Amino acid sequence: EDQVTQSPEALRLQEGESSSLNCSYTVSGLRGLFWYRQDPGKGPEFLFTLYSAGEEKEKERLKATLTKKESFLHITAPKPEDSATYLCAVQAWDNAGNMLTFGGGTRLMVKP
Amino acid sequence: KAGVTQTPRYLIKTRGQQVTLSCSPISGHRSVSWYQQTPGQGLQFLFEYFSETQRNKGNFPGRFSGRQFSNSRSEMNVSTLELGDSALYLCASSLRQEQETQYFGPGTRLLVL
Repeated sequence: EDQVTQSPEALRLQEGESSSLNCSYTVSGLRGLFWYRQDPGKGPEFLFTLYSAGEEKEKERLKATLTKKESFLHITAPKPEDSATYLCAVQAWDNAGNMLTFGGGTRLMVKP
Repeated sequence: KAGVTQTPRYLIKTRGQQVTLSCSPISGHRSVSWYQQTPGQGLQFLFEYFSETQRNKGNFPGRFSGRQFSNSRSEMNVSTLELGDSALYLCASSLRQEQETQYFGPGTRLLVL
């Protein structure tokens, strides 16, 4: 059974204080790893897709990296508007279609 | 391009009733997936449709069902509602069938009393 674990569950940062969120996964064969951002009362917003170990992607203050067992979402000099829940999800080769298995999320709060 | 749209946005039902939720995917997208999000269980996969065929189904009871129309719009139905069905129901669409990024709608908030 595919499993995704995110840590920490909650993270409080001061504006400008860089940090990393972790996503550990267990799948029979990884097709893709996805990062989403979710604001309260809204649907998840797509951030990144990573397909193979060693891959990195960046967008503004966010950088996602992937190894064979985990992914990190690095947040550089965060701003209060980066406050949200960050979700990690995996697609596995033994699942038909586009089914995603999600982790529990990391709730990020950035104080000014 | 318009994003994924879901209707209604909010719904209140009582136990034993049934409910139908609707999802319109991004134009050109042919795959539609449904997820349930609760504080206790997080985001859980319900089912996925591609070209009007169910491709995959999650571990939910038969009270949860869905369908997809020829224009790729999708509906999900929950019969004999239970209190535990209160959740945010999210629809996501993707362009093709495999290894594709899914884009989510705003969700339908269902409250069962």
